[in-house]
Amino acid sequence: QQQVKQSPQSLIVQKGGISIINCAYENTAFDYFPWYQQFPGKGPALLIAIRPDVSEKKEGRFTISFNKSAKQFSLHIMDSQPGDSATYFCAASKENQGGKLIFGQGTELSVKP
Amino acid sequence: GAVVSQHPSRVICKSGTSVKIECRSLDFQATTMFWYRQFPKKSLMLMATSNEGSKATYEQGVEKDKFLINHASLTLSTLTVTSAHPEDSSFYICSAPGPGRAQETQYFGPGTRLLVL
Repeated sequence: QQQVKQSPQSLIVQKGGISIINCAYENTAFDYFPWYQQFPGKGPALLIAIRPDVSEKKEGRFTISFNKSAKQFSLHIMDSQPGDSATYFCAASKENQGGKLIFGQGTELSVKP
Repeated sequence: GAVVSQHPSRVICKSGTSVKIECRSLDFQATTMFWYRQFPKKSLMLMATSNEGSKATYEQGVEKDKFLINHASLTLSTLTVTSAHPEDSSFYICSAPGPGRAQETQYFGPGTRLLVL
């Protein structure tokens, strides 16, 4: 059972455009939703994260939008750059599980110059 | 910031041999570490939770006798793939919660690429 569903699987965006990746979760006990960026052959790195009591969080060019009633959240990358080309994973966790993460399937983003 | 290292970064072994992968928290202590497995162009799948001084907690479907986990100290967890076979070839990644709230301070290692011939 996939607890966190992510789409699209791959995404091609022109430089300067907006990249949008969507995730949906099933378990309402999740209370922390991070996004990770992973480059080939490397471990994932935390990009930005949100908790359900907030509907939006922005850090630089990265914004998370969160819809608690729909159990959905999305990552928006504004002014996408070729250096943003990577695989992005949404994830979810529960407070009482010590940081254990359930990952979405991943989105391979390619930003064309 | 907090750093997690893994060793080796890549390993090639023959089918039937055992391979040990180390995960270290370099500048903080971690009573819990997590081991993930990632196939090419796939997501990270949680294999087990490594607990310092006690047995690891394995996710459903992960063979305990196949993937031995030992968390012998507050800075080191090891994953041993026993009697490795080609289907065990994968990218293994560990993570550890750093100082502060565990959810918000997960640090990932750089991963270990295992190829079983």
